[in-house]
Amino acid sequence: NAGVTQTPKFQVLKTGQSMTLQCAQDMNHNSMYWYRQDPGMGLRLIYYSASEGTTDKGEVPNGYNVSRLNKREFSLRLESAAPSQTSVYFCASSQQGTRNTIYFGEGSWLTVV
Amino acid sequence: AQSVTQPDIHITVSEGASLELRCNYSYGATPYLFWYVQSPGQGLQLLLKYFSGDTLVQGIKGFEAEFKRSQSSFNLRKPSVHWSDAAEYFCAVGVKSNSGYALNFGKGTSLLVTP
Repeated sequence: NAGVTQTPKFQVLKTGQSMTLQCAQDMNHNSMYWYRQDPGMGLRLIYYSASEGTTDKGEVPNGYNVSRLNKREFSLRLESAAPSQTSVYFCASSQQGTRNTIYFGEGSWLTVV
Repeated sequence: AQSVTQPDIHITVSEGASLELRCNYSYGATPYLFWYVQSPGQGLQLLLKYFSGDTLVQGIKGFEAEFKRSQSSFNLRKPSVHWSDAAEYFCAVGVKSNSGYALNFGKGTSLLVTP
């Protein structure tokens, strides 16, 4: 059972480089999310997409862009990476609506040097 | 804004002992509350959730949580901890916006289980 799949799992970037984190879900979910996790900070929402064709900013959107490519895929792009973006990134998905469980991928470890 | 606070950053319990992890929420109406667990190097797995109704919620792996409106709390409990329960535990509250719905997480409680 694939669920939510993120690539790459590990990445090292130099400051100023760009990269895209890919996420795909096979559960036919409408809503998708990107969170970042930092020590002592819990998970913070970067962007989310309530349904195909819509995206909205979360708590910490600065320095990121997203694309909801289709219902399955939701990518996160760092245009000019900064050391402050060193983090673990989690993609998640759920059915649209407030009572549905949000399912998480296994995370992408990003280091910016 | 809706938020949750986990007062304990680290907790250590002996294997076989009981466990209670604290979570306090800030929200005027009845919140949607969740507990997730994260094993080292892994994603998050849902343990249980509360939307309404019975205030004692049963989850997976022998965990339960009790919603107490008077105390604005949603504490996670387990009667007897196993070494495999060592992990990071996150409390979260559901937040609605104009366009959708997401979770706001607490900062987590790291559980260490000693022999």
